[in-house]
Amino acid sequence: SQTIHQWPATLVQPVGSPLSLECTVEGTSNPNLYWYRQAAGRGLQLLFYSVGIGQISSEVPQNLSASRPQDRQFILSSKKLLLSDSGFYLCAWSGTSGRGRFFGPGTRLTVL
Amino acid sequence: QKEVEQNSGPLSVPEGAIASLNCTYSDRVSQSFFWYRQYSGKSPELIMSIYSNGDKEDGRFTAQLNKASQYVSLLIRDSQPSDSATYLCAVPLNSGGYQKVTFGTGTKLQVIP
Repeated sequence: SQTIHQWPATLVQPVGSPLSLECTVEGTSNPNLYWYRQAAGRGLQLLFYSVGIGQISSEVPQNLSASRPQDRQFILSSKKLLLSDSGFYLCAWSGTSGRGRFFGPGTRLTVL
Repeated sequence: QKEVEQNSGPLSVPEGAIASLNCTYSDRVSQSFFWYRQYSGKSPELIMSIYSNGDKEDGRFTAQLNKASQYVSLLIRDSQPSDSATYLCAVPLNSGGYQKVTFGTGTKLQVIP
């Protein structure tokens, strides 16, 4: 069966500091991978998606970036965090048909 | 009009009752629909998918789809306190061959013991 991991589970960072969140998927090959953000009381916002190694599409222009160095690894980064970057970051995968999304446990980021 | 709309709730139902959660969508060509359950502080969990008009049942859950009315609903029979969560409706929208899934903001369900 497929499993998706994210770390860290929680993170508190000062404004202006860098960020690196990692996501890995087990039990499937060539998944579509996604980064979502869920701000307090708000819906899921798609940030990035990837259909293959090195292929990244950005949905929302911002100070975040994503990379996919391996088939089942997806990384979300920032060089300088803003207060508005606080939120619940979720990595998800889907099959190549794109149907459905299967989410990891998430990382709760607080920027102070 | 939002692409996917849900009443934010909270929807309060007594234990043992039927909870009815509703979702409307704007894209007439959407072909598949998903319901997710999200407990407070946790990530969303896919609980139901439906692809054709009518009803789909899975245990205490029934998804209902009416494409003509662009309406999808989730019924939870014999509601339990453990069903208390936020329920998200999700609809894939075709976009250049990649299906962008749009999520509603969710309906919060409270099951009262």
